[in-house]
Amino acid sequence: ETGVTQTPRHLVMGMTNKKSLKCEQHLGHNAMYWYKQSAKKPLELMFVYNFKEQTENNSVPSRFSPECPNSSHLFLHLHTLQPEDSALYLCASSREGAGGSGANVLTFGAGSRLTVL
Amino acid sequence: GIQVEQSPPDLILQEGANSTLRCNFSDSVNNLQWFHQNPWGQLINLFYIPSGTKQNGRLSATTVATERYSLLYISSSQTTDSGVYFCAANYGGSQGNLIFGKGTKLSVKP
Repeated sequence: ETGVTQTPRHLVMGMTNKKSLKCEQHLGHNAMYWYKQSAKKPLELMFVYNFKEQTENNSVPSRFSPECPNSSHLFLHLHTLQPEDSALYLCASSREGAGGSGANVLTFGAGSRLTVL
Repeated sequence: GIQVEQSPPDLILQEGANSTLRCNFSDSVNNLQWFHQNPWGQLINLFYIPSGTKQNGRLSATTVATERYSLLYISSSQTTDSGVYFCAANYGGSQGNLIFGKGTKLSVKP
């Protein structure tokens, strides 16, 4: 248990479905991230939130819609996905901007494995 | 573009052996982190090491920022060390905006 919890761990959805991935961190961090890990590509950043404000969007298609209601929770809303969106979606958090030991170190959740049929 | 390259891509070791994993990066970095991903997909941070040397038990890492590379040393390997090792570099923006390498897949045989 890393202190970052993702649900669901596995999700199968059709291309016309709407679903959401949830991430919760219990580490008191101020920054949260969505990363995507596809079978044939390196991990790639999707979104960054700092104190619940989106600070980075790595040119992600609009069928992925993030939501960060507070510094502890992060959602990824999914709609009209394509089969090529099947991947492991990883949430991470960090204590960013402050000094000291452990600052800026990313802590990842266990991931949500998404299959789009 | 910015690149993070890892070698070797695959490594098979006998339990008890030592190994060195390498990460080359194409530009000056703000920070560099090493991660281990277990067979179930969980990524664990091993080191935050923009420069210098750090040790944690059987693992140690060295980053030579001026020469744009980092090394991860695993000594007395165990079967539980199996998995994929990633290095990831930050070049700007959020400190968590990391460019990941493709990883080194390590298999430790009993």
